[in-house]
Amino acid sequence: AQKVTQAQTEISVVEKEDVTLDCVYETRDTTYYLFWYKQPPSGELVFLIRRNSFDEQNEISGRYSWNFQKSTSSFNFTITASQVVDSAVYFCALSSALRDDKIIFGKGTRLHILP
Amino acid sequence: GAGVSQSPRYKVTKRGQDVTLRCDPISSHATLYWYQQALGQGPEFLTYFNYEAQPDKSGLPSDRFSAERPEGSISTLTIQRTEQRDSAMYRCASSPRVGWETQYFGPGTRLLVL
Repeated sequence: AQKVTQAQTEISVVEKEDVTLDCVYETRDTTYYLFWYKQPPSGELVFLIRRNSFDEQNEISGRYSWNFQKSTSSFNFTITASQVVDSAVYFCALSSALRDDKIIFGKGTRLHILP
Repeated sequence: GAGVSQSPRYKVTKRGQDVTLRCDPISSHATLYWYQQALGQGPEFLTYFNYEAQPDKSGLPSDRFSAERPEGSISTLTIQRTEQRDSAMYRCASSPRVGWETQYFGPGTRLLVL
């Protein structure tokens, strides 16, 4: 079975601090995709990143960075120099073409950035 | 269209009523997915379409839930005899084809059953 675990239910940090959101996944598929989505208070799902299982390179996009480690089945997300606008619920997710791309989401981590 | 649209954006209904939610995917996208997101939870898969075919409806929680995509474009999700536990955000997503890797999500329909 496929599963995504986000152990941190809620995190609060002061603005400008760095924060890491943890994600651990389970799958038996050799080819799969990992995602992070942001859900701001307005409710829409904002796509942040997709990573396929063959690409373990870490990625950086501005203040955001992602650390993919197959050895530990983790795909962690770090926000550097956090800002109040980063306050949202963040979802880690997993899919596989073998399973018709159905996305399995974690329960989400609610991030509060305090001014 | 330019993006996935859903209507209505908000729906309040009384327990026992039927509701129909609509999803208009990105033009030419073959696959369309429905997800249900309860408050405080991540979205959960309900069903998906490949054109008008519905290969997988394993996520539909009961036979009160049904979905259609008769012409392979617009899709509707119908909930019959709504119950309070059906209150959730219903999200639709589309992609060009299975194996495309990325789904494009609509804004969602927030359903409240009183």
